[in-house]
Amino acid sequence: EAGVAQSPRYKIIEKRQSVAFWCNPISGHATLYWYQQILGQGPKLLIQFQNNGVVDDSQLPKDRFSAERLKGVDSTLKIQPAKLEDSAVYLCASSKLTGSVETQYFGPGTRLLVL
Amino acid sequence: GQNIDQPTEMTATEGAIVQINCTYQTSGFNGLFWYQQHAGEAPTFLSYNVLDGLEEKGRFSSFLSRSKGYSYLLLKELQMKDSASYLCAVRVSSWGKFQFGAGTQVVVTP
Repeated sequence: EAGVAQSPRYKIIEKRQSVAFWCNPISGHATLYWYQQILGQGPKLLIQFQNNGVVDDSQLPKDRFSAERLKGVDSTLKIQPAKLEDSAVYLCASSKLTGSVETQYFGPGTRLLVL
Repeated sequence: GQNIDQPTEMTATEGAIVQINCTYQTSGFNGLFWYQQHAGEAPTFLSYNVLDGLEEKGRFSSFLSRSKGYSYLLLKELQMKDSASYLCAVRVSSWGKFQFGAGTQVVVTP
């Protein structure tokens, strides 16, 4: 079974520029998550999709971040304009409920450096 | 608010046992998960507890006490490859929202 795919793996931009990340979840997984992980911290949920609907985006800085999941499969996360504090790893995860257990599977992440 | 606490770092010798504690105060509880994250890599699932008690999976075991808001991950027969960050995460809602702790960096020495 193929895992969660993300691209690009690395990105360096200057502040005030825009950037977009792409995620392809595991086939059949209805739930998709975007997390931000700052060095030395645990992942922080930015947005959660169930199919193509948003379940939770309470921690998404909506003045600069946006995300979509068209057709309930692939997803893109965009930052416009970027700030220095956005430097982090952006992790995409997908999950599927099996019995009573919902296990998340993470992609390799996109490492963003904002200069 | 949501609070998940775990120690920042632990050091242990190869072949030894290490116990990583996690305490949580969250608005909801639908299970506690442990993930392993090697430097520069994505987290990978280790274990899951939803009922009180001990779950054993080979060299790794995880314990949960819901009344105390407490869990631990026990790593036995430590190997060098176990050097990683271990993340405690609580599923705070029935629709899947997860809250993560900051992680415990385990350093295994020869």
